[in-house]
Amino acid sequence: RKEVEQDPGPFNVPEGATVAFNCTYSNSASQSFFWYRQDCRKEPKLLMSVYSSGNEDGRFTAQLNRASQYISLLIRDSKLSDSATYLCVVNGAGGTSYGKLTFGQGTILTVHP
Amino acid sequence: DGGITQSPKYLFRKEGQNVTLSCEQNLNHDAMYWYRQDPGQGLRLIYYSQIVNDFQKGDIAEGYSVSREKKESFPLTVTSAQKNPTAFYLCASSLEGLALYNEQFFGPGTRLTVL
Repeated sequence: RKEVEQDPGPFNVPEGATVAFNCTYSNSASQSFFWYRQDCRKEPKLLMSVYSSGNEDGRFTAQLNRASQYISLLIRDSKLSDSATYLCVVNGAGGTSYGKLTFGQGTILTVHP
Repeated sequence: DGGITQSPKYLFRKEGQNVTLSCEQNLNHDAMYWYRQDPGQGLRLIYYSQIVNDFQKGDIAEGYSVSREKKESFPLTVTSAQKNPTAFYLCASSLEGLALYNEQFFGPGTRLTVL
């Protein structure tokens, strides 16, 4: 099993749609989680941090299910500008010290008019 | 403006040559990291440094070397021993290293192509 696994997509949705991405991780001891957004040929940018059961920021909601070892990202009312690759990132996924982040391969989202 | 800078943005190298990628941050972060990203893949950790004059190998350190002589700077050398160096290289920093809460912030990246 991969340390961090995401559905690569691509997800193609119309403007205004709600879309959800899931991410699973293998190390039950992992404590902190992040969603990054990466535009084409650019660096990843931090979208949300998830330390407890979840986090909400405007149209974006992240949820953590420790029992099932997955994190989800929900985007409501999708905008064209949400088109990007979304990276699921886990702190300590590899069973090593905290602080070493393990990145999923990313989920591609395209929002169309 | 606080941030992380990387240079150059694009770099072309002939096989057998060493090349050094620059990374500078003015965020006063203790920890710095180097990752590489290949098409369709997640980021993989090359080296990291938690504090000045100290650094550790990441998951794919072979063929790379680093130094951390100043807090602000963490250059990466891609040596001729690296078998497949063409990739997108990303530098990141965080307030402290190996912490439970470790939000990392990235520079704009250097795209290295070996000809």
